[in-house]
Amino acid sequence: EPEVTQTPSHQVTQMGQEVILRCVPISNHLYFYWYRQILGQKVEFLVSFYNNEISEKSEIFDDQFSVERPDGSNFTLKIRSTKLEDSAMYFCASSEAGWVNTQYFGPGTRLTVL
Amino acid sequence: KNEVEQSPQNLTAQEGEFITINCSYSVGISALHWLQQHPGGGIVSLFMLSSGKKKHGRLIATINIQEKHSSLHITASHPRDSAVYICAVLPTPGAGSYQLTFGKGTKLSVIP
Repeated sequence: EPEVTQTPSHQVTQMGQEVILRCVPISNHLYFYWYRQILGQKVEFLVSFYNNEISEKSEIFDDQFSVERPDGSNFTLKIRSTKLEDSAMYFCASSEAGWVNTQYFGPGTRLTVL
Repeated sequence: KNEVEQSPQNLTAQEGEFITINCSYSVGISALHWLQQHPGGGIVSLFMLSSGKKKHGRLIATINIQEKHSSLHITASHPRDSAVYICAVLPTPGAGSYQLTFGKGTKLSVIP
């Protein structure tokens, strides 16, 4: 069964460093999403992406965040200058055709900022 | 912004019991998702519904749009059902930012 994959599974970085989290969505899916979950808290939406552009973003998704689909398979989340409060689990998801469709989640990347 | 409340926060059940998890939201929606988060952190979509009822195996999800309420039922619960169950809602188009708002989750533990 097709699945969403994410790399790395765990990333440790120093405050102020740039990180890139990578996702490979399911191949025929057109909509892509990033979510985060701070330890012990609820899942929060970051950004959605369709047709090579951002379709929605939350208040969390400020100028230090960016997303890109550099090729036909990868979908990346970049955090330019990490802060301690960026430590969280980051989930990528994809869906075949927009929000009112089942989303398939990746296993997550745990980001630890020291 | 939609407020999503789940109850109970924690639930312990004996194997075989019938389980109900509730989700209420404050503003009209176009769809509601039920998700399962495994102890390792992975998230699986269980249901997406906008009206009525859906069933998959031992899981049943219902939604009452007028009452702004949804329930997830698990029949004949099993220890492998132990997980956090999360409700997430999508607003109606035009009602602010079109994004999922998540509840805090219900942690279910099923004891053999």
